Amino acid sequence: QKEVEQNSGPLSVPEGAIASLNCTYSDRVSQSFFWYRQYSGKSPELIMSIYSNGDKEDGRFTAQLNKASQYVSLLIRDSQPSDSATYLCAAYDYKLSFGAGTTVTVRA
Amino acid sequence: GAVVSQHPSWVICKSGTSVKIECRSLDFQATTMFWYRQFPKQSLMLMATSNEGSKATYEQGVEKDKFLINHASLTLSTLTVTSAHPEDSSFYICSARDLYLGTGISYEQYFGPGTRLTVT
Repeated sequence: QKEVEQNSGPLSVPEGAIASLNCTYSDRVSQSFFWYRQYSGKSPELIMSIYSNGDKEDGRFTAQLNKASQYVSLLIRDSQPSDSATYLCAAYDYKLSFGAGTTVTVRA
Repeated sequence: GAVVSQHPSWVICKSGTSVKIECRSLDFQATTMFWYRQFPKQSLMLMATSNEGSKATYEQGVEKDKFLINHASLTLSTLTVTSAHPEDSSFYICSARDLYLGTGISYEQYFGPGTRLTVT
């Protein structure tokens, strides 16, 4: 069983809509969670980190963490074409474990 | 802040030669650095973790004699791919972590721009 699983993509949303990305993790030890954005041919870029249950907002991004359900999500509000990328969920125990990624395409 | 650089950004080498890739943390001291490899359409695969001044810890299945890692200072780590072969062609990405961020402990990792290696 994979440690970090993300909802299968690709995800296509119209410009201005909300993109919703989900991630579950199997390791109960994990306490820190991250979302990275990776454009095609580029390296990952950290966009959100979340450590406590609840919501964390940063601009158009909102991360949600539910440790009891071992679930973390990312919402992208007012999606823009520049948000088109692969989003990687990661959980940390003694190292980062990455999900396979969800590719998001925002249609203009 | 939290900028990581890599050099070179791309390299082409002949089979059997060695290639060195440098990773630098530019505005923070990286207590730990990580090396990843990524094949097309696949997720990141952690190759090894290195702490400054100590030997790297390699993930299972990664040949430590083939992928030599040196973390000589808090701002520099190098990965040397020895006797490279075409199957080593990949996107190599380093990542660095500043364990102490402000008054708390941070596990945030910042990635370099990556090095695309092609072995002919």
